[in-house]
Amino acid sequence: GAVVSQHPSRVICKSGTSVKIECRSLDFQATTMFWYRQFPKQSLMLMATSNEGSKATYEQGVEKDKFLINHASLTLSTLTVTSAHPEDSSFYICSASTRAGTEILADTQYFGPGTRLTVL
Amino acid sequence: GQQLNQSPQSMFIQEGEDVSMNCTSSSIFNTWLWYKQDPGEGPVLLIALYKAGELTSNGRLTAQFGITRKDSFLNISASIPSDVGIYFCAGLYSGAGSYQLTFGKGTKLSVIP
Repeated sequence: GAVVSQHPSRVICKSGTSVKIECRSLDFQATTMFWYRQFPKQSLMLMATSNEGSKATYEQGVEKDKFLINHASLTLSTLTVTSAHPEDSSFYICSASTRAGTEILADTQYFGPGTRLTVL
Repeated sequence: GQQLNQSPQSMFIQEGEDVSMNCTSSSIFNTWLWYKQDPGEGPVLLIALYKAGELTSNGRLTAQFGITRKDSFLNISASIPSDVGIYFCAGLYSGAGSYQLTFGKGTKLSVIP
């Protein structure tokens, strides 16, 4: 089956620093990638949707200047949390799909294992 | 935005028992999905439902897409210890150039051996 990896799996950083999280599709080309965040004992909240080579579409309430997304290739998307603060501590999960737009079906969206970010 | 009400929030059951959980929404979805998430991992798709009234099984799991398109349930039969985890429902709406996947808040399942 399709595999999506994330790196790092855990990261601890000081307040004010920037952190980059990578999401890779290992055995397929991901036309679309999604970034979610999940607070403890909470559900997944979509942050943004990105298509290879174009700007990401951010959900309402998500600061695009704080959460920089780059989908530079069909197998890699990065999320950079800039000037991180303790309230940014969360579990960040990416997912990838081989399709785009309304053609994305549930079973073509594959989730990564997540990255635990802790900001001190 | 769209919201899903998932219940129960948590369950403690004896190994071998059957489990049922459900999700309801005030909005219509094109697709209902059920995921399982283990601690520190991403969610894994269990069942996808694409048509109102559809009843689909995956091993000991059975899920149904409500005929109103606003609800879905998941049943697990003869639970085993490895069923432990958090189960999320998700509703997918796609159309008119938009695509939105909304997750429920999860049902935490604990199985007592």
